Amino acid sequence: AQKITQTQPGMFVQEKEAVTLDCTYDTSDQSYGLFWYKQPSSGEMIFLIYQGSYDEQNATEGRYSLNFQKARKSANLVISASQLGDSAMYFCAMREVGDDKIIFGKGTRLHILP
Amino acid sequence: NAGVTQTPKFQVLKTGQSMTLQCAQDMNHEYMSWYRQDPGMGLRLIHYSVGAGITDQGEVPNGYNVSRSTTEDFPLRLLSAAPSQTSVYFCASSYDEDRGEIYGYTFGSGTRLTVV
Repeated sequence: AQKITQTQPGMFVQEKEAVTLDCTYDTSDQSYGLFWYKQPSSGEMIFLIYQGSYDEQNATEGRYSLNFQKARKSANLVISASQLGDSAMYFCAMREVGDDKIIFGKGTRLHILP
Repeated sequence: NAGVTQTPKFQVLKTGQSMTLQCAQDMNHEYMSWYRQDPGMGLRLIHYSVGAGITDQGEVPNGYNVSRSTTEDFPLRLLSAAPSQTSVYFCASSYDEDRGEIYGYTFGSGTRLTVV
């Protein structure tokens, strides 16, 4: 069963608008971590933000925030005031405590329009 | 601090050739892994290691071998390359979650492999 689901293969957003990238996950563990990575056209994988399952507050890093809804098993990435440089592929990922692996979703390609 | 170093960045192989993708990290991370990235498939785990001398298979291990003789190095070997192994390969490392926290990955810059 797919553990990380990103339902938006691609998105087009006007510059300066806010963007929400969807991510749902499947786990029976109570303790886990959720990650978002950005992959620009240059190909490198850039860590953006982390949310622990026991964190009571939603994680924020600059213009990035993670809308964590534990009961719905969702961990959406919100980018405020989008910029042209935000055009990239975005991956949601999960690591369960007791499991050594990080599992990735298939990604969402975000296009920011000028 | 170099992080995770992957070599080569690009490689073209003929079907049936063998090669080794190199991966080294200088962060004293226990955990290292190899992923392949294909269009529409995300990142799929090939093999991983939780420490020197310990390796395990991921989601797509067939056609690949690994070994972990030191904490720093985790090479990926293709014994007989096939066109289906054309992909972008990423090495990644992190602290082991046994440290009591959950850690994310540091990625190498990737290797673009084409098998013709």
